[in-house]
Parts: sequence; structure tokens; C-alpha cells
Amino acid sequence: EAGVAQSPRYKIIEKRQSVAFWCNPISGHATLYWYQQILGQGPKLLIQFQNNGVVDDSQLPKDRFSAERLKGVDSTLKIQPAKLEDSAVYLCATTPGRANTEAFFGQGTRLTVV
Amino acid sequence: DQQVKQNSPSLSVQEGRISILNCDYTNSMFDYFLWYKKYPAEGPTFLISISSIKDKNEDGRFTVFLNKSAKHLSLHIVPSQPGDSAVYFCAAKDSNYQLIWGAGTKLIIKP
Repeated sequence: EAGVAQSPRYKIIEKRQSVAFWCNPISGHATLYWYQQILGQGPKLLIQFQNNGVVDDSQLPKDRFSAERLKGVDSTLKIQPAKLEDSAVYLCATTPGRANTEAFFGQGTRLTVV
Repeated sequence: DQQVKQNSPSLSVQEGRISILNCDYTNSMFDYFLWYKKYPAEGPTFLISISSIKDKNEDGRFTVFLNKSAKHLSLHIVPSQPGDSAVYFCAAKDSNYQLIWGAGTKLIIKP
């Protein structure tokens, strides 16, 4: 079974530029999460999708971050414009359903904003 | 306000000995706890979990203990092996099925 795929693996951008991350979940997994992990901290949930609907985006900085999950499969997370403090690893995770807690994670995208 | 705390940023253990990683939480409504393991440049992988109705769960070399009165859980690895060197995250499930994560403990197994 293929795992969660994320791209790109690494990205370096200048502040005020925009960037997008892509996630392809495990086939059949209805619930998809985007986490931000700053160095030395645990993952912080940014947004949770159930199929193509948003379940929780309370911690998403909506003035600069946006996410979508068209057709309930792939998802993209965008930052525009980026700030220095956005430097982090962005992790995508999926579960079969919302009540499942043993999430499967992708390798993450390491973003560096300079 | 950190609801899940891992107070030891790192831990060094001799190969073959027991590794004990600790985690404290503040919210008594958490009812499910998980441990994840993370290697560099990879995403976290699920290791073991425990429901709040239990005080112990064992899976091979890994055992998780839960002390609800103390709001404390621990992960025991015995015997420790070089491949266990990784960052270990403790996470707790809240009433919205969201995971609240600790900051992680880096475990180093010395040969």
C-alpha cells in the first residue's frame, strides 16, 4: 500500500513570496490533516479535512494560509505572502476516518523563508 | 499553554538497557494517548497507544503506562536497540478527535 506522498521535499523562498505544498493521501483515507512543525516543537494542526469539507481550521492563519482538498483526494496548502516565522516542516497526515487517531504521515516539506 | 509536556528534550541510554520516556498532560478529558517515533527527514510513525480505561499496554519491546491520577504516561523500551534512536512524540486525543502533541524527546542509544 502506497503511503502519504508530499512534494516538494524542500523549498527555500524569500519572505513575501508565495509557496504551495501538495499532498496525496493513502487511497480511501477520508480524513486529511496539515500540520506545521517548528524546530524543537511538536506538530501543530493547521487544518483538518473530512473528504473535501473543512472540519477544523481554527489554527490556520487565514490572512496568509489557505488550503483546499478538491474532490476529497489530493490537497494543497498555500502560503502567501510568506514570513520568516513560517520556516518549518509542513506535514500531511491521513486517517481512514475522523475517529481514527493512528495517523499516517508523509515525509513532510521543509520550508525555509529567508 | 502546553497541554502535553515532554520535559526531557533528550535522553541517552546504553544499548540493551531500558529507555523510559515521560509525558505529562493537564487536561483530564483526554481519553486516548499515542506515542509516535520520528527519524530525521521522515514523518512521524505511530508506535503504540493506550486508552484511558487502561493503565498499561504492551507491544513487543514497547510498553506504555498510564497514571491518570498523576496525569502522566511513560513509554518503556526494553531492551533498547540502536535503531530506536529517534525523536519520540507523545500525543493526546481531545474531545474533537484532534491530537495535541508534546515537543518530543530525542532518544540516543549508545553502543
